[in-house]
Amino acid sequence: GAGVSQSPSNKVTEKGKDVELRCDPISGHTALYWYRQRLGQGLEFLIYFQGNSAPDKSGLPSDRFSAERTGESVSTLTIQRTQQEDSAVYLCASGRGQEQYFGPGTRLTVT
Amino acid sequence: GENVEQHPSTLSVQEGDSAVIKCTYSDSASNYFPWYKQELGKRPQLIIDIRSNVGEKKDQRIAVTLNKTAKHFSLHITETQPEDSAVYFCAASHNFNKFYFGSGTKLNVKP
Repeated sequence: GAGVSQSPSNKVTEKGKDVELRCDPISGHTALYWYRQRLGQGLEFLIYFQGNSAPDKSGLPSDRFSAERTGESVSTLTIQRTQQEDSAVYLCASGRGQEQYFGPGTRLTVT
Repeated sequence: GENVEQHPSTLSVQEGDSAVIKCTYSDSASNYFPWYKQELGKRPQLIIDIRSNVGEKKDQRIAVTLNKTAKHFSLHITETQPEDSAVYFCAASHNFNKFYFGSGTKLNVKP
């Protein structure tokens, strides 16, 4: 079946603009995770959704970052007033009570 | 929260030799420990995982060991091949709620 998909694959934006990143999880997966991966570094947890429970937002680095998920479907990660330090690959993963499956990521470049 | 440390950051081995990557974690409540392989420009792929009720797990040339008392787990790759060259990440999770990742090990297998 289809895996996790993300869009856009690449996004270049000017400093100060808002961006919205999209994640389509695997159908039936109740868990959805967002991570940030800076160049040459590890994965930094941002936010976790599980079913209809309140999301765990403890990894969001500032109030410029927010994420939404409707039920067990699509999720969007929004970054407001982007800064150059937001440049990274943003990875989404979904799962169903066990291992997580990653999407291809969105490479965000803030100029 | 959980803190996962990973060593070494880079590892270079000759084809056919073994490679060992080590991780430690801080939260004794963590009970699931996956390992991911990430090739350049690609998404992380799960290669092996272990749960806290097991001390060792093996899958062909790959094995993982877990020492709950010492809070450390290791990835062992035997008979390394050039296609094993990649960045490897360890992670720790409690009930798949959040995943905390190590900083990664860049493995280079020289032919």
